Amino acid sequence: NAGVTQTPKFQVLKTGQSMTLQCAQDMNHEYMSWYRQDPGMGLRLIHYSVGAGITDQGEVPNGYNVSRSTTEDFPLRLLSAAPSQTSVYFCATTLAGGSSYNEQFFGPGTRLTVL
Amino acid sequence: DAKTTQPPSMDCAEGRAANLPCNHSTISGNEYVYWYRQIHSQGPQYIIHGLKNNETNEMASLIITEDRKSSTLILPHATLRDTAVYYCIVRVASNDYKLSFGAGTTVTVRA
Repeated sequence: NAGVTQTPKFQVLKTGQSMTLQCAQDMNHEYMSWYRQDPGMGLRLIHYSVGAGITDQGEVPNGYNVSRSTTEDFPLRLLSAAPSQTSVYFCATTLAGGSSYNEQFFGPGTRLTVL
Repeated sequence: DAKTTQPPSMDCAEGRAANLPCNHSTISGNEYVYWYRQIHSQGPQYIIHGLKNNETNEMASLIITEDRKSSTLILPHATLRDTAVYYCIVRVASNDYKLSFGAGTTVTVRA
């Protein structure tokens, strides 16, 4: 049981390049989400998904796309990287539904630098 | 979701209890208090949550005042590995799983 995995761990891009950050989980969680964390700041929600085929925008969605074709995977795509997207990106998952709160599990993060 | 206020930083001696305050004076009746922590460079980790009763688990205790306008997270015997940023989050426990992180409290445990 690997939990939540993110790849790559580190990435350097040039302005204008595109790339996909990968997030995978083996806990059969319906809910998955992406956050970014800028230096000295709290996490901000980018996009989230409540199940395969369903995605929605969070607080800071501009410049990012997501899709959810399987329960296990929730990739985050940067369409045209900008220096303002330099950040640490975290994926989080939880078992949705039910009457009690389910803790969210976070991945180890991807550290992205855009030059 | 109700806004929370936490001190930006605090120190604690190893082996002593660490008491982390959180003010949430505008909390609504159906909003829970959640605590997460983030150890340097890692993803946040869930600690504990509560509605109005005090809660305890293997990691910490959560004390919520009777009027629910503030709470305290207690790490009973702080270790160096408890050095982290601690986030107090208030939100409704529903099908909306979005978490709103503020700046949190940076806790430094000293030997």
